Amino acid sequence: QVQLVESGGGVVQPGRSLRLSCAASGFSFSTYAMHWVRQAPGKGLEWVAVIWFDGSRKHFADSVKGRFTISRDNANNTLYLQMNGLRAEDTAVYLCARGSEAFDMWGQGTMVSVSS
Amino acid sequence: DIQMTQSPSTLSAYVGDRVTITCRASQSISNWLAWYQQKPGKAPKLLIYKAFNLESGVPSRFSGSGSGTEFTLTIRSLQPDDFATYYCQQYNTYWTFGQGTKVEIK
Repeated sequence: QVQLVESGGGVVQPGRSLRLSCAASGFSFSTYAMHWVRQAPGKGLEWVAVIWFDGSRKHFADSVKGRFTISRDNANNTLYLQMNGLRAEDTAVYLCARGSEAFDMWGQGTMVSVSS
Repeated sequence: DIQMTQSPSTLSAYVGDRVTITCRASQSISNWLAWYQQKPGKAPKLLIYKAFNLESGVPSRFSGSGSGTEFTLTIRSLQPDDFATYYCQQYNTYWTFGQGTKVEIK
C-alpha cells in the first residue's frame, strides 16, 4: 500500500525537544525529495523543511531554522524531523509529503502541542 | 522569500456555479505553481501542478491557468464534494503556500 504514516507527536513543554517520524511504504522512497509541512489549529499550511532524495541537501523555513533538523534513513524508508527549542507557536499538525516539485502524496499528520 | 497571496479568503457559492480563485506571487515564478484541496481533518490533495496540468484522477471541471505572478484555479460547475479549502503553492524557489481560500455553500 502506497502511504506515508507520521508518528511521534505529543504534548511537550516549551524549550523541550521532540522527534517526529514518517514511515513510507509502497514506493521507492530513496528516489524522492521529502518534506515536512505544518498546520496550526484553524490555520493554513506552512512549509517547514525539505531533504533531497539522497540527503545531500536540506533547507528550512526561517521560522524553524537553527532549531529543527531533517534527516532520512533510506534503508528503512523513514523520514525524521528533530525539533529542539520548541515554542508555543510550533503547535500544529505536522505532515510529511513527497515531491521534488509539487507534493503528490501526503501523510495524515501527527499533532504537536507545546504548552507548559 | 516568495510570498503567495490568494483571493478571496472565503467564497460562498451554489452547487453548479463557476468558481475562480486567484493566487498572486510576490515575484515571477514562471509556471511553478500547484493547487491543493483540503477537507477538514484530512491531508491536502494535489489538484493541479505546473500551473495548468491536471493531476491524475482529478475531475476535469478543475482547471488552472496563469504564469509569472498571477494564477487562477477555476471549478467549472461546483459539486457538493468541492466544498473545501484550496491552497496555491509556489515551487520556483523552495516552497511557499498561499493562505488558503475556503469555498462554502451559499
